[in-house]
Amino acid sequence: QSALTQPPSASGSPGQSVTISCTGTSSDVGAFNYVAWYQQHPGKAPKFMMYEVSKRPSGVPDRFSGSKSGNTASLTVSGLQAEDEADYYCSSYAGGNNWVFGGGTKLTVL
Amino acid sequence: QVHLQESGPGLVTPSDTLSLTCTVSGYSISNGYYWGWIRQPPGKGLEWIGTVYHSGATYYNPSLKGRVTVSVDTSKNQFSLRLTSVTAADTAVYYCARVYNSGWTGDFQHWGQGTLVTVSS
Repeated sequence: QSALTQPPSASGSPGQSVTISCTGTSSDVGAFNYVAWYQQHPGKAPKFMMYEVSKRPSGVPDRFSGSKSGNTASLTVSGLQAEDEADYYCSSYAGGNNWVFGGGTKLTVL
Repeated sequence: QVHLQESGPGLVTPSDTLSLTCTVSGYSISNGYYWGWIRQPPGKGLEWIGTVYHSGATYYNPSLKGRVTVSVDTSKNQFSLRLTSVTAADTAVYYCARVYNSGWTGDFQHWGQGTLVTVSS
């Protein structure tokens, strides 16, 4: 199984919106609505931000939203804030009881 | 609030076996949920290693199958990872984690702080 493809970097100014993509295949992202997103600040454990494409766990601001089209899932951060600067990882169910992560995107708040 | 803590050697010799334990507090593993191991090589992305259910059922990343064993000890409220025949490529921060709901999923909501394991002679 191959890692999901994410852009290495993304950026936006405070208050703006930024979208991070996560591209898989018809065997993972395209086949299942089990895409999750994680936020990771330097030296910290990942934080669970989104599941089943667009559902937010309790406590995650509604500035974060998720979507999917075909083999590509997306995480949109609206109203960017300084604390949103972090690495973001997507993951997807890949069938056969397997899960695959993306390579990660470094989000910079300018 | 569930809390997870990894423990084990920080340095492993090439070709040896990496062994880590995750101690869970604030929740009894025997009550359910899936528990997993994820790793992150320095400066790189996350990789799912494997998951265990409280019953002992296990699921592994195919790329590591044959080298990895995840087990659970409900009496100690712990679960463990064993990775055999390690190489430098297995150097990573290893995280233990619990999924977000009681069904089968690989979406991890609760994470340990992670422990760095270096494979070197």
